[in-house]
Amino acid sequence: AQSVTQPDARVTVSEGASLQLRCKYSYFGTPYLFWYVQYPRQGLQLLLKYYPGDPVVQGVNGFEAEFSKSNSSFHLRKASVHWSDWAVYFCAVSTYQGGRALIFGTGTTVSVSP
Amino acid sequence: GGIITQTPKFLIGQEGQKLTLKCQQNFNHDTMYWYRQDSGKGLRLIYYSITENDLQKGDLSEGYDASREKKSSFSLTVTSAQKNEMAVFLCASSIGRADTEVFFGKGTRLTVV
Repeated sequence: AQSVTQPDARVTVSEGASLQLRCKYSYFGTPYLFWYVQYPRQGLQLLLKYYPGDPVVQGVNGFEAEFSKSNSSFHLRKASVHWSDWAVYFCAVSTYQGGRALIFGTGTTVSVSP
Repeated sequence: GGIITQTPKFLIGQEGQKLTLKCQQNFNHDTMYWYRQDSGKGLRLIYYSITENDLQKGDLSEGYDASREKKSSFSLTVTSAQKNEMAVFLCASSIGRADTEVFFGKGTRLTVV
């Protein structure tokens, strides 16, 4: 069955430091992958998406992610974290079961320390 | 741009009660979704609908009913609220293709006393 695993429930980083959030997927076929962010008291917003092509995709606010078929991974990165990046980040894979739906991971909460 | 409106924002129910959550979108999207968000468990798919009057079960459909009577609206019913249940229910919509963005509402927070 299709699934997404985010192994880190919570990550704390210092402002200005780099960030990497891990995501592993299980999907029988060519995956379409997404990272969403949920800021405090707001709805989910799309950060970036991958569909077959260049394995490195750029998103908003300086985020990028790299797809690896051999590792079944889609890790998210940011070179320099800002306090406003404090949020919950969700990785998701698009699946087809009579229609399209996203299957989400459990999310990683990013806390930013001064 | 468009917007997804979920009502009510907060819902308090009693054990065993039937509760209905409503969602409206003005994107003119074909596909709509209901997800449940629990702390530490991420988002889990309850139901989705690829067109008016269509319903597809997600992994968490037991204990819920859904209805898509119009393209713009999608409602979810908790058939029998469970005591001490607390969760946020998120409605979403998309064009429906694999590579397109899914847009989310701000959620309905359910508390069962």
